[in-house]
Amino acid sequence: AQSVTQLGSHVSVSEGALVLLRCNYSSSVPPYLFWYVQYPNQGLQLLLKYTSAATLVKGINGFEAEFKKSETSFHLTKPSAHMSDAAEYFCAVTPNTGGFKTIFGAGTRLFVKA
Amino acid sequence: EAGVAQSPRYKIIEKRQSVAFWCNPISGHATLYWYQQILGQGPKLLIQFQNNGVVDDSQLPKDRFSAERLKGVDSTLKIQPAKLEDSAVYLCASSLILASGVGRGNEQFFGPGTRLTVL
Repeated sequence: AQSVTQLGSHVSVSEGALVLLRCNYSSSVPPYLFWYVQYPNQGLQLLLKYTSAATLVKGINGFEAEFKKSETSFHLTKPSAHMSDAAEYFCAVTPNTGGFKTIFGAGTRLFVKA
Repeated sequence: EAGVAQSPRYKIIEKRQSVAFWCNPISGHATLYWYQQILGQGPKLLIQFQNNGVVDDSQLPKDRFSAERLKGVDSTLKIQPAKLEDSAVYLCASSLILASGVGRGNEQFFGPGTRLTVL
């Protein structure tokens, strides 16, 4: 069965520092991969997605993620954190074959210190 | 373009009571999802519709939860009777038609959610 692991339930960075949020998936066939962001009292919003095109995917708000098949990873990065980046981030996978169910990771809360 | 609408935004009920949530997806989106998000966890799919047919309801507690999507547009999710552990945010999402291949990569658009507290 598909699964998604986000390492670190909380990540704290200083404003201007690199943001790195980790996501690993388990699947024999590379799935479709997504990063969503959730601000307080709001629904989820798509940051970026991997759909078997380029392995380095650029998203909104300066975020990007790299798909690494050998490591079954899809880590999210941003070169310079901004206070407005403070939110909850979810990695999600949809299988490439079989069922259509999307599985979400447990989430990583990002704190940005001034 | 209007987003996914959900109501109510907040609901407080006593255990064993009933509650219903409503969702109106983005116009033209054939696929509709209901997720349960418990505090500190990621969203968990409860049920997925394509038009008015159920694609997946394997994680829906059918003894107490029910959902329908009449006419393939808006949807309601009902809990009857509610338990304490049902306290969560219930998220509705929609996406363009889901089919094999490319459709699996379609973005899901989420509503603001309904926060349910069961006392």
